[in-house]
Amino acid sequence: EVQLVESGGGLVQPGGSLRLSCAASGFTFSIYWMTWVRQAPGKGLEWVANINEDGGEKYYVDSVRGRFTISRDSARNSLYLEMNSLRAEDTAMYYCARGRFGGLFYFDSWGQGTLVTVSS
Amino acid sequence: QLVLTQSPSASASLGASVKLTCTLSSGHSNYAIAWHQQQPEKGPRYLMKVNSDGSHSKGDGIPDRFSGSSSGAERYLTISSLQSEDEADYYCQTWGTGIRSVFGTGTKVTVL
Repeated sequence: EVQLVESGGGLVQPGGSLRLSCAASGFTFSIYWMTWVRQAPGKGLEWVANINEDGGEKYYVDSVRGRFTISRDSARNSLYLEMNSLRAEDTAMYYCARGRFGGLFYFDSWGQGTLVTVSS
Repeated sequence: QLVLTQSPSASASLGASVKLTCTLSSGHSNYAIAWHQQQPEKGPRYLMKVNSDGSHSKGDGIPDRFSGSSSGAERYLTISSLQSEDEADYYCQTWGTGIRSVFGTGTKVTVL
């Protein structure tokens, strides 16, 4: 069974940093693209970042480019999101998801999320 | 610009059917999309992907009462024999340049 378990969320002050982790199990992590998606309170889903199988390709939504860094460690079956210069508008539940290609790039497995709150 | 448009809400009675629509913006009518369900206080769940020709393929364990179809720039998700656990938000999603994903604004389904 595919499992994705996020951790690392919490309360942080504006301008601060946080590192999210996503532990993957039940599949061969090293052969899949992985993704972070976020959801602000009461709002819809927003794609944040993608990383390819070997970490050599990374894509970001414009609002986080230069502040967030997506990475992965296949030896640990883990996905990460390093978040710097955090702003109030980064407050959201952050989900990791497994990416698939098949006529489009889509997400076929999701975690339960970790909450990030940016506030003074 | 690639935009997915969804109605904010839909409702139907227990046991009835409901059809949700996701409309692709101009110039993108041949794009495939994916549907995701998010029950209250839970993470999203992948339901299916729907191609421009109306063919669709569902995720593991998705009940037969969920189906997908297409017409022009519209992609549909039909839920038949509506159950109480189908009360959720439903998002369509596709991809643009550089493997950047786009989500629709979501449709909240209420089971009456």
